[in-house]
Amino acid sequence: DSGVTQTPKHLITATGQRVTLRCSPRSGDLSVYWYQQSLDQGLQFLIHYYNGEERAKGNILERFSAQQFPDLHSELNLSSLELGDSALYFCASSTTGRYGYTFGSGTRLTVV
Amino acid sequence: KNEVEQSPQNLTAQEGEFITINCSYSVGISALHWLQQHPGGGIVSLFMLSSGKKKHGRLIATINIQEKHSSLHITASHPRDSAVYICSGGTSYGKLTFGQGTILTVHP
Repeated sequence: DSGVTQTPKHLITATGQRVTLRCSPRSGDLSVYWYQQSLDQGLQFLIHYYNGEERAKGNILERFSAQQFPDLHSELNLSSLELGDSALYFCASSTTGRYGYTFGSGTRLTVV
Repeated sequence: KNEVEQSPQNLTAQEGEFITINCSYSVGISALHWLQQHPGGGIVSLFMLSSGKKKHGRLIATINIQEKHSSLHITASHPRDSAVYICSGGTSYGKLTFGQGTILTVHP
């Protein structure tokens, strides 16, 4: 157990639907990062939150949004889902990003 | 051209061999990360480097900032080292740019 908890582990949903992925960071970590791993694109950075504030955005689609709550857990919302959104979604946490990242076990999203 | 390039893409070795995976980057980074991903999918952070060399057990990571190049070495490789090794460049505000990964298979 890395200390970073992601739920659910697996999710199957239909095109056009909306889902929410949840991440609880390791105790004491203020930063949460979201990544997408698909077969054709590899790992891609989506977004970074630090203590509730958005710090950096990567290749995140407009249909996707995220937030970090006062208790530091984060949610990634994916809407109007398309087949191409099927991927592994990882979150990671760190204290400042200067000492490495701890990854969660990922959520495997399948859009059918 | 990717901002972070790894080589080789696939690597097969016999148990006990010395293994080197290379990573070159063109982006400005504050740190270079080496990650390991096992077939089950989980990702483990192995090293974070901003200069020099780090060692953890049989794993050694080096970085040359001037040449924008890093290497991951595995000494006395073992079948349990079989995994995908991913190099990534990190910025000071937390963005990571990933290489394509190197698939390592170590045969007994």
